[in-house]
Amino acid sequence: GDSVTQMEGPVTLSEEAFLTINCTYTATGYPSLFWYVQYPGEGLQLLLKATKADDKGSNKGFEATYRKETTSFHLEKGSVQVSDSAVYFCALREGYQKVTFGTGTKLQVIP
Amino acid sequence: DTEVTQTPKHLVMGMTNKKSLKCEQHMGHRAMYWYKQKAKKPPELMFVYSYEKLSINESVPSRFSPECPNSSLLNLHLHALQPEDSALYLCASSPGQGTGGYEQYFGPGTRLTVT
Repeated sequence: GDSVTQMEGPVTLSEEAFLTINCTYTATGYPSLFWYVQYPGEGLQLLLKATKADDKGSNKGFEATYRKETTSFHLEKGSVQVSDSAVYFCALREGYQKVTFGTGTKLQVIP
Repeated sequence: DTEVTQTPKHLVMGMTNKKSLKCEQHMGHRAMYWYKQKAKKPPELMFVYSYEKLSINESVPSRFSPECPNSSLLNLHLHALQPEDSALYLCASSPGQGTGGYEQYFGPGTRLTVT
C-alpha cells in the first residue's frame, strides 16, 4: 500500500537558518503530494501541494518539488522564523479520497 | 470563505453520556471527512462522506456514528465512549471525489476527553 516516510524530529534550528525536512513516499500510481502544517492546539493547514512530477509547490517562503525519480517531496525554506515552529506533515493522495500522512516532524525555531 | 468550522472546541464527557460533534463548511465541497488524532501522531481517517452518502468507514467502532444531514454539515454522534477515545477530532472537506489535487481543508478540531 501507499506510505509516506518523514525524518524523525524534533528539528531545532536558530532563527534565519535554512530548513530541510525530508519526505519520501511509496505509491503504486501517480499521487498528488502535500505538506500540511499544524500549529500547537490547532487543526491542519495546507501549506503547499504538487500534483505531478517536477511540479514545485510554494507558499509563505516554503517550497517542495515533486521528484518522481527519487520518490521524494522534501520541504525547504531559506530562512526560518520563530513563528514557523509547528509540526509538519507530508502526505499523499492517490485514488478515491483517501490521504496517507507521514508521522509528522516537529520543528522548533529558537531566537 | 475557505473555512471549516467545528463545535464545540473542547468536550468532556463520561462513559455513559451521549454527545455530538458538529462540522460545517460553506465552500460547496461535496466530500467531508472525520479524522481522529492522538498526541504526536498523524490524523487517522474514520469516515468519508461523498455527496452526502457514507463512502468510507475505516472499521470504526459503532460507538461513533456519523451523520451528514446536508452537503454543508457533518455530525459525529458519540455514545458509550472509552477513555482511550480521548483525542483531537478533526473534520475536513474537499471539492469532490476522484483523483487529482483535491486537497483537504481542515477545521480546528474538537478536543475530546472521556472520563
